[in-house]
Amino acid sequence: DVKVTQSSRYLVKRTGEKVFLECVQDMDHENMFWYRQDPGLGLRLIYFSYDVKMKEKGDIPEGYSVSREKKERFSLILESASTNQTSMYLCASSTSVIQFFGPGTRLTVL
Amino acid sequence: KNEVEQSPQNLTAQEGEFITINCSYSVGISALHWLQQHPGGGIVSLFMLSSGKKKHGRLIATINIQEKHSSLHITASHPRDSAVYICAVRSSQHSGGSNYKLTFGKGTLLTVNP
Repeated sequence: DVKVTQSSRYLVKRTGEKVFLECVQDMDHENMFWYRQDPGLGLRLIYFSYDVKMKEKGDIPEGYSVSREKKERFSLILESASTNQTSMYLCASSTSVIQFFGPGTRLTVL
Repeated sequence: KNEVEQSPQNLTAQEGEFITINCSYSVGISALHWLQQHPGGGIVSLFMLSSGKKKHGRLIATINIQEKHSSLHITASHPRDSAVYICAVRSSQHSGGSNYKLTFGKGTLLTVNP
């Protein structure tokens, strides 16, 4: 079974803190994605990566950066967390066909 | 206007009822996905369609490429089917790494009462 894991299920941070969200997949997928999910807005793509050290901006990259130093790991970084970044963050990895999602990290920024 | 529209937003049914959730999209696509998300849970892929119809147990997904429309049907619904159902499309207009991007609908919250 494909497994996508995220470093935390719940996270509480303060405004201005630097936040790291980690995602690891064990199926040697080239493509990895970071989404946020908000009520009434659905899933929105923040960044994605289609190879090690390669990244592309998604629909809402502002306030975020990413790092992919190894194929299995894709990190989302909030350089200076703000309250409007309180959300559910979902990581996914994919073959060319299907995306497999992690369990999500519910981030609260106070 | 969103590229992917789902209806209804919310749906409440009695156990045993036949359920239909609709998805319309406005771009050319190479594939359409139906996903399921249980409360507090992760997202799982139910179907990927590029034409016709697929069936898995009590779930049936259909797509009409000409009309840019897909439906997800649940027969003999059960309370355990209660979840958010999400439609997502992969555009045929992207290239390279962007080819794997999905555009999501906002989801349909289904509640099946016993």
